[in-house]
Amino acid sequence: EAGVAQSPRYKIIEKRQSVAFWCNPISGHATLYWYQQILGQGPKLLIQFQNNGVVDDSQLPKDRFSAERLKGVDSTLKIQPAKLEDSAVYLCASSLDVAGRGYTFGSGTRLTVV
Amino acid sequence: GEDVEQSLFLSVREGDSSVINCTYTDSSSTYLYWYKQEPGAGLQLLTYIFSNMDMKQDQRLTVLLNKKDKHLSLRIADTQTGDSAIYFCAESSRSNTGKLIFGQGTTLQVKP
Repeated sequence: EAGVAQSPRYKIIEKRQSVAFWCNPISGHATLYWYQQILGQGPKLLIQFQNNGVVDDSQLPKDRFSAERLKGVDSTLKIQPAKLEDSAVYLCASSLDVAGRGYTFGSGTRLTVV
Repeated sequence: GEDVEQSLFLSVREGDSSVINCTYTDSSSTYLYWYKQEPGAGLQLLTYIFSNMDMKQDQRLTVLLNKKDKHLSLRIADTQTGDSAIYFCAESSRSNTGKLIFGQGTTLQVKP
């Protein structure tokens, strides 16, 4: 079974630029999560989708971050404009349902904002 | 609120047992998890325990749960150099939506 795919693996941008990350969950997984992991900290949930609807985006900085999952499969997370403090690893995860069955993380995208 | 705390660093010698500790605040968490993260890699689920259990053993891993003290521990028997990594404790959110609340991670260093 293929895992959760994320791209790119690494991205370096200047502050105030925009960036987008892509995630392809495991086939059949209805629930998709984006986590932010700042160096030295544990991951923190930014947004959670159930199919193409948002379940939880309470921790998403909506003035600069946006995410979508238009067809209930792939998802993109965008930051515009980026700040230095956005430097982190962005992890995508998926599960069969909101009960969390089959919870699987991707390898992440490491973002450096300079 | 929901919060998970871990000690930051543990160093052991190869062959010894490692014990990584975690405390959590939400007594309504259904599941508690241990994840392993190696450099440059994603999170690998090691094991989990249901909140109505006290102990779970899986090969070299033993998880102990003390619900009264809201304390979770992971014991790794016969620790190997390949076990060197960051270990995260996580609890399922009280909202039961699949959201996980992670601790800050414990770096395990295994010396040969």
